[in-house]
Amino acid sequence: GNSVTQMEGPVTLSEEAFLTINCTYTATGYPSLFWYVQYPGEGLQLLLKATKADDKGSNKGFEATYRKETTSFHLEKGSVQVSDSAVYFCALQETSGSRLTFGEGTQLTVNP
Amino acid sequence: ETGVTQSPTHLIKTRGQQVTLRCSSQSGHNTVSWYQQALGQGPQFIFQYYREEENGRGNFPPRFSGLQFPNYSSELNVNALELDDSALYLCASSLAVGGPNIQYFGAGTRLSVL
Repeated sequence: GNSVTQMEGPVTLSEEAFLTINCTYTATGYPSLFWYVQYPGEGLQLLLKATKADDKGSNKGFEATYRKETTSFHLEKGSVQVSDSAVYFCALQETSGSRLTFGEGTQLTVNP
Repeated sequence: ETGVTQSPTHLIKTRGQQVTLRCSSQSGHNTVSWYQQALGQGPQFIFQYYREEENGRGNFPPRFSGLQFPNYSSELNVNALELDDSALYLCASSLAVGGPNIQYFGAGTRLSVL
């Protein structure tokens, strides 16, 4: 079946540091890929998405590129802020259905 | 703000009881999906409703059931609650099924089973 694997967390960075959160997936067909963010006590918010190979999703300084050859969708940001502290989830969506399959999540803490 | 609202925000139940959670989807959306998020885990797909019919189900027992109403709002019902049912229950609405589409999540209902 489909699955998503995220790098183990938690991740702690200083403000303005570079961020990478690794995500790899296993899927049949050609899924769409997503990054969602969850702030404390809240639901999930869509951060960015990519629907086909080599697409780059970007939003709020975050970006991720859909790499079919390595089945990866790593999240990056050049300079993190304290307000980026949250849990980040990588997810895939089958092309034949609409359920989302999530990774375990990565807790990011950014210190001033 | 996604426009997806869930109620109640928090709920405490006793093992063996039954619970109903509610979700109001974003205006114009006709599809609702429910997820269970255990503490420290990623959300797990429970089931999806499209135009009042179940359209896909995850690996959850039959005591998890749902409904979708003509206005596309939805309910999740859980019978014979177990301790392991304690989790954050998330509802997501979207437009149509099939192909890539974006799901918009509510803030969730935190269920505690004692």
